[in-house]
Amino acid sequence: GAGVSQSPSNKVTEKGKDVELRCDPISGHTALYWYRQSLGQGLEFLIYFQGNSAPDKSGLPSDRFSAERTGGSVSTLTIQRTQQEDSAVYLCASSPDLNSGANVLTFGAGSRLTVL
Amino acid sequence: GESVGLHLPTLSVQEGDNSIINCAYSNSASDYFIWYKQESGKGPQFIIDIRSNMDKRQGQRVTVLLNKTVKHLSLQIAATQPGDSAVYFCAEGGLESSYKLIFGSGTRLLVRP
Repeated sequence: GAGVSQSPSNKVTEKGKDVELRCDPISGHTALYWYRQSLGQGLEFLIYFQGNSAPDKSGLPSDRFSAERTGGSVSTLTIQRTQQEDSAVYLCASSPDLNSGANVLTFGAGSRLTVL
Repeated sequence: GESVGLHLPTLSVQEGDNSIINCAYSNSASDYFIWYKQESGKGPQFIIDIRSNMDKRQGQRVTVLLNKTVKHLSLQIAATQPGDSAVYFCAEGGLESSYKLIFGSGTRLLVRP
């Protein structure tokens, strides 16, 4: 597609439920990132995928968070047993080539998660 | 851990004036820097980037300055317009981290008519 697409745009869930957030990156982009943005805050790195390499999961805040990227394209971020502190906007971004030394990410509009 | 921070959380400028947004970074190994603009309800949008082998780069109405000696980055916006009102983030990356971008906490720019 023309841009990075994320769904759902808004998700309200109850504490303890699992949620899945989806990201469709720009076609052909080899690198995909997930960031989390709490209200009025900066972007907190969560995880990134680069081609067929093992993902960098160093930013995941707990083992309740996981992400997959199937076929080098679509990615799903899963949060299990959601907590209120998980409430945030989850942003996905992709870039064409992480190894070029110029890593211009294109972001989606984000998925706003509210945990009641 | 390494981090990127900003000096001013909010900057208010008169329309038509120039704006300067500052950013300090802590990882001396970073060799790539980038500025993003985020409008309300939207994802961040690329503005301009710069490599560490440069100290200045210009775009349309924007200039990024890099001072590696004091690990400081700035974004200058000429003739600021109401449409420039947004939150601005700097980010850093480097070869050692495969150019994974680490973002600062952001500066909100408010343009007064």
